[in-house]
Amino acid sequence: NAGVTQTPKFQVLKTGQSMTLQCAQDMNHNSMYWYRQDPGMGLRLIYYSASEGTTDKGEVPNGYNVSRLNKREFSLRLESAAPSQTSVYFCASSEKMGAGGGYTFGSGTRLTVV
Amino acid sequence: ILNVEQSPQSLHVQEGDSTNFTCSFPSSNFYALHWYRWETAKSPEALFVMTLNGDEKKKGRISATLNTKEGYSYLYIKGSQPEDSATYLCALSSGNTPLVFGKGTRLSVIA
Repeated sequence: NAGVTQTPKFQVLKTGQSMTLQCAQDMNHNSMYWYRQDPGMGLRLIYYSASEGTTDKGEVPNGYNVSRLNKREFSLRLESAAPSQTSVYFCASSEKMGAGGGYTFGSGTRLTVV
Repeated sequence: ILNVEQSPQSLHVQEGDSTNFTCSFPSSNFYALHWYRWETAKSPEALFVMTLNGDEKKKGRISATLNTKEGYSYLYIKGSQPEDSATYLCALSSGNTPLVFGKGTRLSVIA
C-alpha cells in the first residue's frame, strides 16, 4: 500500500521555467491538498480539492494552479517559477475534508528556483 | 484564517526527562484537533485526533489532552528518548474546511 506518492523528490528550476508536481493516492480518499513548508512558517495550504471535480484556493495560491485529474491524482503547476517558490512541497489526502480521520502525507518535493 | 499557536517553538531535553508542549486555538467553530509527528527528512505522521472536550489520547509514552472551552491541547512525552526527536504539529479542523496547522514545536532529546 503506497499511500501518497509524490514526484519528483527534488527539482531545480531556473526563474521563469514551468513544471508540474505530481501526486497520487491509492487509499480511495476524496480530499487532497497541496502544502508548502518554509522555515519558521509551518505548513501553509496552497490549494485543495474537497472531492473529485472541485478545487479551491488555500492561504497562498498565487503563482500556482492545480488539476484534480481524477479521484487518485492531484497535480500542482508552477507556470513561471520564481525564487520565492523555493520550498518543500507536500501533498496530502484524507477520506473527506473535516472528518475526524487524519491526513496522509506524501514524502515531499524539494524545489529550488535559481 | 484561523490562528493555531504552538509553544514553545523549540525544546531541548535530556534523555529520560518528561516534557510537554501546548497548542492554542480559537474555541469557536471547533470540530477536531489533530497532532502529528514530523521527523526530519520524512513526512508528517498522524498521532492523535481529538474531538470532545476533556478527550485524552495515549500512544505508548506520548499522550494528549484537549480543552475545547478554553482552546488548548497539551502533548506529553514521558521519559523522552532520542528517537522522540521530531517536530510536533497540531492542526485545527473547524468542520468542512482543510486543517490549519500550527508552526510546530521542535523537540531535541539529548542522549
